[in-house]
Amino acid sequence: NAGVTQTPKFQVLKTGQSMTLQCAQDMNHEYMSWYRQDPGMGLRLIHYSVGAGITDQGEVPNGYNVSRSTTEDFPLRLLSAAPSQTSVYFCASRFSYSMNTEAFFGQGTRLTVV
Amino acid sequence: SQQGEEDPQALSIQEGENATMNCSYKTSINNLQWYRQNSGRGLVHLILIRSNEREKHSGRLRVTLDTSKKSSSLLITASRAADTASYFCATDVGLYVGGATNKLIFGTGTLLAVQP
Repeated sequence: NAGVTQTPKFQVLKTGQSMTLQCAQDMNHEYMSWYRQDPGMGLRLIHYSVGAGITDQGEVPNGYNVSRSTTEDFPLRLLSAAPSQTSVYFCASRFSYSMNTEAFFGQGTRLTVV
Repeated sequence: SQQGEEDPQALSIQEGENATMNCSYKTSINNLQWYRQNSGRGLVHLILIRSNEREKHSGRLRVTLDTSKKSSSLLITASRAADTASYFCATDVGLYVGGATNKLIFGTGTLLAVQP
């Protein structure tokens, strides 16, 4: 099993550019989520999804869009990148939102906005 | 402010010593989880303790949970240099029934350095 796969691993964007961070899981997990990690801030939840077609906002959703058209994929879109979005982004999945389950993380995408 | 706060922010010990990290949180929880992150890598799940449990063990790890004080602690016994990493607590909060509100919220982490 590949687990949770994120692409790309590194990305540099110019202010105002758009891009999509990809996340895919092959474990048939219901629950997927995106976090950003900044120094001294730990991980902060951006958006999450409890199943295909269902998404909701986390702690810091502004500037990001998500969709969940399939169980496997949960892309994160930056429509107009800003320097404040420079961060490391992690995608995570859980078997179910309705049980006491652990999260499995991807290896992260390091994004720099200049 | 964030749901979980770890204490201390950084901890340096010698190999063979025990390491204790604490986590405090603010709202009621379904469970509390501890994760480990090696530098530059994704997080790895260590242990989950449910809200109706008080203590749990897994190998050299011991986790306690006090819901009346909204706090948890992670004890790593007989530490090794390979335990050097950041450790995060995460609280599972929200309603399971009816769907879309339960979330896993992370704290700010403790950076553990184990000196050989």
